[in-house]
Amino acid sequence: DIQMTQSPSSVSASVGDRVTITCRASQAIINWLAWYQQKPGKAPKVLIYAASTLQGGVPSRFSGSGSGTDFTLTISSLQPEDFATYYCQQGYSFPRTFGQGTKVEVK
Amino acid sequence: EVQLVESGGGLVKPGRSLTLSCTASGFTIRDYAMSWFRQAPGKGLEWVGSIRAKAYGGTTEYAASVKDRVVISRDDSKSVAYLQMNFLKTEDTALFYCTRDHGDANHFDSWGQGTLVSVSS
Repeated sequence: DIQMTQSPSSVSASVGDRVTITCRASQAIINWLAWYQQKPGKAPKVLIYAASTLQGGVPSRFSGSGSGTDFTLTISSLQPEDFATYYCQQGYSFPRTFGQGTKVEVK
Repeated sequence: EVQLVESGGGLVKPGRSLTLSCTASGFTIRDYAMSWFRQAPGKGLEWVGSIRAKAYGGTTEYAASVKDRVVISRDDSKSVAYLQMNFLKTEDTALFYCTRDHGDANHFDSWGQGTLVSVSS
């Protein structure tokens, strides 16, 4: 199985901050990487797929980069509605696996 | 509008079986792979399994942790995907989500609201 490791596990930030979350795969997954946002009591929502493609309707302050084993999700200017938990997920091989999540909290 | 509605969750005793349903609307389910996920209370996301569209054989993939106890099926005529779980354990307690999949379950672009399964004696 491909292990996905996110860092940090949590980050404290303020509105307007730039936030970067990293995700490392235990083996190369080309660009088969998606990022999800989950708010408490809600289902996850895909933000980015194929490492850097923004899902329709997702604000452009979200961006993704990387290939191979190392990937990054960046929120360029954190907004109040962005406080949530973020997960990366590899779509390269079965079983599909997720990172453990990164909680973006209010500083 | 794409909508997925899970149902069938509830309180069940260990060792029993349960079948969850995922009713889809707003798109043609036969054109898509569908998947199931679970999230234990306070924990992260875990992929349970996926079923491909009939055009791709309708085959299934399962997580090793549940492979011997679950069956995913689909009835495209009813726009429903199913997750049958057998020999339930207390550690199966979780919120179960179904998804519409992009490609061969490469990523998951629409999620239901989830249905809660509690396994307890």
